[in-house]
Amino acid sequence: DAKTTQPNSMESNEEEPVHLPCNHSTISGTDYIHWYRQLPSQGPEYVIHGLTSNVNNRMASLAIAEDRKSSTLILHRATLRDAAVYYCILRKAGGTSYGKLTFGQGTILTVHP
Amino acid sequence: DAGVTQSPTHLIKTRGQQVTLRCSPKSGHDTVSWYQQALGQGPQFIFQYYEEEERQRGNFPDRFSGHQFPNYSSELNVNALLLGDSALYLCASSLVGGGADEQFFGPGTRLTVL
Repeated sequence: DAKTTQPNSMESNEEEPVHLPCNHSTISGTDYIHWYRQLPSQGPEYVIHGLTSNVNNRMASLAIAEDRKSSTLILHRATLRDAAVYYCILRKAGGTSYGKLTFGQGTILTVHP
Repeated sequence: DAGVTQSPTHLIKTRGQQVTLRCSPKSGHDTVSWYQQALGQGPQFIFQYYEEEERQRGNFPDRFSGHQFPNYSSELNVNALLLGDSALYLCASSLVGGGADEQFFGPGTRLTVL
């Protein structure tokens, strides 16, 4: 399985943008890039995913490098509720939910008031 | 719409005992995956059930087994508990062929083995 590399931790101030990087230099052409986050004392929750083009949803934006070897999750205005562990995960394409999610250590995001 | 629910919330067992954890998927979902999360680590995939069969399995011993019922709910069984089995056990549900391809996680069951 292709692996991802994320910084162990990052800090941000409330209402400022946050850019969470992820390196995946061994990504294959059929790998989707998924982001999940885990708030304290909760199970992980889906944030966003993409293949080649940048993606936006109500929670965040995903910017994917042209060579797909890295990506960045962008929270446009961080809130205290965004403090969580953020996981960048590669997942094979297939259009189904078949298959596991392989979590790494993730990035611990701290948001200061 | 109820999301993924798990029971019990917390559980304390002793070494050698057996435990059963339960999961009800999000309404409309037909696939259930189980994960183990040790303290300070990311979740590790145990196995996935679809149509009452185990479809994929992670690197876990046979002491870990599961079942899916016709109503799509699922159980995780762990036999001969070891101290190292202490962890948060997460259940995630999804829909085969669902466009968003996302998994919805429950809050987990915290298992402590003494």
